[in-house]
Amino acid sequence: GEDVEQSPFLSVREGDSSVINCTYTDSSSTYLYWYKQEPGAGLQLLTYIFSNMDMKQDQRLTVLLNKKDKHLSLRIADTQTGDSAIYFCAESIRLGANNLFFGTGTRLTVIP
Amino acid sequence: DVKVTQSSRYLVKRTGEKVFLECVQDMDHENMFWYRQDPGLGLRLIYFSYDVKMKEKGDIPEGYSVSREKKERFSLILESASTNQTSMYLCASSLKQGLRSYNEQFFGPGTRLTVL
Repeated sequence: GEDVEQSPFLSVREGDSSVINCTYTDSSSTYLYWYKQEPGAGLQLLTYIFSNMDMKQDQRLTVLLNKKDKHLSLRIADTQTGDSAIYFCAESIRLGANNLFFGTGTRLTVIP
Repeated sequence: DVKVTQSSRYLVKRTGEKVFLECVQDMDHENMFWYRQDPGLGLRLIYFSYDVKMKEKGDIPEGYSVSREKKERFSLILESASTNQTSMYLCASSLKQGLRSYNEQFFGPGTRLTVL
């Protein structure tokens, strides 16, 4: 598989912004994704970005993609306690690929 | 509402037992996947299937096999469970990918398997 790395833990105070980072190794990545896993649940797709974009905004979520450095980030504005979860980045390495390569996950803890 | 269900939330088995994990999806998806999730290692793909009776090995297939006799059901089999197979097992499904579409996988809630 591909190497997709994330820092394991992040703690922020409620109301602050959170930034979750991801680095990947395959320069042929086409789509990159952020999935969220709440306690006791499976993963859910939060957002995605196509590789020809460098930024995507969706309400409180901002995704930044730096293809040169193979770096993806997810910014959550005004972080709430309900945002506490594990966040996974993932990549598709070619158009039409059926499988994804997932990162190691970042556990976000929001402190009230 | 899209749904992927897994047969058990928690399972405890003994070393050497044969273990079946079942997954069912109601979205008529072509693709189905089995992952295991371990702290610090993220999700690792065990096997996936892109059609009935078809299967492909993922990154860590050793010690596992799969069965897909019907489109909606994908089973993971541990022929002889070992303690290093203690983990969280996640099933997912997705539509067959077109050349221009992003790839959303829908996940079940997971089965936490403990092998004693």
